[in-house]
Amino acid sequence: NAGVTQTPKFRILKIGQSMTLQCTQDMNHNYMYWYRQDPGMGLKLIYYSVGAGITDKGEVPNGYNVSRSTTEDFPLRLELAAPSQTSVYFCASSYIRQSNQPQHFGDGTRLSIL
Amino acid sequence: GEDVEQSLFLSVREGDSSVINCTYTDSSSTYLYWYKQEPGAGLQLLTYIFSNMDMKQDQRLTVLLNKKDKHLSLRIADTQTGDSAIYFCAVFSGNYGQNFVFGPGTRLSVLP
Repeated sequence: NAGVTQTPKFRILKIGQSMTLQCTQDMNHNYMYWYRQDPGMGLKLIYYSVGAGITDKGEVPNGYNVSRSTTEDFPLRLELAAPSQTSVYFCASSYIRQSNQPQHFGDGTRLSIL
Repeated sequence: GEDVEQSLFLSVREGDSSVINCTYTDSSSTYLYWYKQEPGAGLQLLTYIFSNMDMKQDQRLTVLLNKKDKHLSLRIADTQTGDSAIYFCAVFSGNYGQNFVFGPGTRLSVLP
């Protein structure tokens, strides 16, 4: 049972480059989330999706884009990488977005923008 | 919006009890969670408590909730070196777009 899988695990980008962080889950969860984790700041929600074809902004969406063409996949796109986007990115999923349904997390993608 | 606060660091001796504290602002929060993050890994759900409960015990873990003061704590009995990790308090906030709000995390260091 793979759960939530993120690729790549590590990446270094130059300023202005673009890349896509991949996230896939095999639990048939409807809800998927992208967070960024900065030291001492906890997790900030970037985007979330309540199902295929539906996405919405979280707390810190600027500089990112997402798509949800299938239930399983929820890629996060950085179009013009900036140093402020250096962070650890976590993808998570849950069956439904109710308070008693905890989220399942991937192992993260560590991204450095130089 | 919702604010969730935690102290950033805690050090304890192996075998002692650890108490990690969390405060939150949204009184409508119904479920409160504790997650554990080990180095290089994602967040792993440890336990959670419903807001109509005062306490929940799960083996070495005890969660205490003071709803009046909006204060949540996680007690780890007989702390082991394997408990060294970052512990996140998370709140499901009905007043914040029906989303989870995480605290900054408490880094627990267990000294031999």
